[in-house]
Amino acid sequence: KAGVTQTPRYLIKTRGQQVTLSCSPISGHRSVSWYQQTPGQGLQFLFEYFSETQRNKGNFPGRFSGRQFSNSRSEMNVSTLELGDSALYLCASSLSGSQNSPLHFGNGTRLTVT
Amino acid sequence: AQRVTQPEKLLSVFKGAPVELKCNYSYSGSPELFWYVQYSRQRLQLLLRHISRESIKGFTADLNKGETSFHLKKPFAQEEDSAMYYCALSGTQGGSEKLVFGKGTKLTVNP
Repeated sequence: KAGVTQTPRYLIKTRGQQVTLSCSPISGHRSVSWYQQTPGQGLQFLFEYFSETQRNKGNFPGRFSGRQFSNSRSEMNVSTLELGDSALYLCASSLSGSQNSPLHFGNGTRLTVT
Repeated sequence: AQRVTQPEKLLSVFKGAPVELKCNYSYSGSPELFWYVQYSRQRLQLLLRHISRESIKGFTADLNKGETSFHLKKPFAQEEDSAMYYCALSGTQGGSEKLVFGKGTKLTVNP
């Protein structure tokens, strides 16, 4: 089975721009979660999608949004980029998103905002 | 609020020595706790979860509700155990279920 795939691996954007990150989950997994990883804050939960619906949400501003398609692929969008948005963005998929369903992580997209 | 604290950013031991990676949590409900590991140049992956009460790669972790801890232990460390370890708690806050991670402990096992 192919693992979780995130594209692109690297992105460089300037302040004020917007960006879209993509995540393809493991085949059969219906839940996709997004995390932001920075040296100072560690791994922080952004949101989780299940069956095309946002089911859970972290404490990030509305500039961070996402969606999930019928094939479970997910995209994350960040608008009006700020320098502080520079981070590694990780996507994780699971069968059901429940506590008994472990997360499988992708390699991440490293976003640099200049 | 859910919170996970891993007090040690770095931990260094010699091969064959016992190792304990500390994890303390704060959560008002009944917690579900996990350990995730990231080896060099690999993706983050689940190591073990407390509900399974299993031993993976010689590691065990016991949930101590009285001390609100979920420390990861291995009696004899191996060089291949060198990695970044994250403790995580799954719970519900404000109607939203989420997995909250600690900031991680980098374990180095020296030959």
